[in-house]
Amino acid sequence: KAGVTQTPRYLIKTRGQQVTLSCSPISGHRSVSWYQQTPGQGLQFLFEYFSETQRNKGNFPGRFSGRQFSNSRSEMNVSTLELGDSALYLCASSLGGPRRHFGPGTRLLVL
Amino acid sequence: ELKVEQNPLFLSMQEGKNYTIYCNYSTTSDRLYWYRQDPGKSLESLFVLLSNGAVKQEGRLMASLDTKARLSTLHITAAVHDLSATYFCAVDEAVSSGGGADGLTFGKGTHLIIQP
Repeated sequence: KAGVTQTPRYLIKTRGQQVTLSCSPISGHRSVSWYQQTPGQGLQFLFEYFSETQRNKGNFPGRFSGRQFSNSRSEMNVSTLELGDSALYLCASSLGGPRRHFGPGTRLLVL
Repeated sequence: ELKVEQNPLFLSMQEGKNYTIYCNYSTTSDRLYWYRQDPGKSLESLFVLLSNGAVKQEGRLMASLDTKARLSTLHITAAVHDLSATYFCAVDEAVSSGGGADGLTFGKGTHLIIQP
C-alpha cells in the first residue's frame, strides 16, 4: 500500500506570496491532519479534516487554511507568507482511529 | 491549554547502556504516542498507548503509560548507534465521537545521540 504523499517536497517563496501544499492520504483513509514543524516552536497542529469537513483547528492565524476533497486528498494554503512560515509541513492520514501515518513533508522556505 | 513536557531534551549515551525518556502531560487523555524523527525526515510512529498501564515493546524500545500520573516512559535497553534520533511524545487534545483524528500536542522532543 502506498504511503502518504506530499507535494511539492521543497518550495521557495518570497514574503507576501501565497502557497498551496498538497497531501494524498493512504488509500481508504478519510482523515487528514496537518502539522507545522519549526526549530523554535516545534511541532504544532494546524487542522484536521474528516470526510471533507474541518473537525479541529489549531491556534494559527487565518492566513492558514485548508480543505479536503471527496477523494480525501487535502490541500493547505498559506496566504501573505511571512519569514516565520518557513517550516516543514507534515501531513498525516488516518482511518479515523488513533494511529496516524505521516507523509514525508514539504519543506517551505520563505525569503 | 494542554502541555506535554519531555525530559531530557538532549541525551548523549554510550552503546550498551540503558536509559529512560520521560513524558509528562497535563490532560486526562489516555492516548499517548511516541514518534521517532531522523534528521531531515518525517515522523515514524513507534508506539500508540491507549489505556492506563499499557506497555509496548519493539526491539530495544519499550513504552509504558500511567494515566493516573499522566506520565509515559520510553525505555531504551542496551542502546545501539542506530537508535540515534529525536524522539517525540504526543497526546490527543480530545477524542471525538464518531471517529476522526484530533490534533496532537507534541513535546519538544528528546535529541538522542548514542556513541560507540
